[in-house]
Amino acid sequence: DAGITQSPRHKVTETGTPVTLRCHQTENHRYMYWYRQDPGHGLRLIHYSYGVKDTDKGEVSDGYSVSRSKTEDFLLTLESATSSQTSVYFCAINQDRGDQETQYFGPGTRLLVL
Amino acid sequence: DAKTTQPPSMDCAEGRAANLPCNHSTISGNEYVYWYRQIHSQGPQYIIHGLKNNETNEMASLIITEDRKSSTLILPHATLRDTAVYYCIANAGGTSYGKLTFGQGTILTVHP
Repeated sequence: DAGITQSPRHKVTETGTPVTLRCHQTENHRYMYWYRQDPGHGLRLIHYSYGVKDTDKGEVSDGYSVSRSKTEDFLLTLESATSSQTSVYFCAINQDRGDQETQYFGPGTRLLVL
Repeated sequence: DAKTTQPPSMDCAEGRAANLPCNHSTISGNEYVYWYRQIHSQGPQYIIHGLKNNETNEMASLIITEDRKSSTLILPHATLRDTAVYYCIANAGGTSYGKLTFGQGTILTVHP
């Protein structure tokens, strides 16, 4: 499992409230990613990080911010949650497999915005 | 990432080989073919990847055509636990690696 945990695993919140999801890894991986998964859309990249304090936007970054103040934690914040952000959120890291790196995914966080 | 095309669904009998096709006719020379799967409600799981040669690991085999325009993932002895959505992805790796493009994949159902 590449030492990836996500918290919380489930959350229900109300529209307009801020929400922070945490991804934690224990193996000192440089690259970390946040995806969301919705029916009919597959997985879509929200933001990613290539080091401490180094982040960049993905395909669907509007309404989300991220922070990485230390290697092991990558935080995803919904500044003002909306119902359209109801989704399953997956964190991932890159792990070296010889000729290429591959991604390992966390168990996911199910977020419901009412 | 080059566009990939997969059948939306396939069935397989338990104990038989499951052969999952993927078309990637616009793949560029530096793009690898990756396969992931996602079992219901879990995070995607890496299976195998290859560039030109056929590859085999403890989970599956990957057969890539000589022109690299298509590939087949083979699960040699499918079990009920192999029921999942299987994703074929073409990606160049390196600094672009993280931006994986997951399409709709193939829903593989393994029957007793």
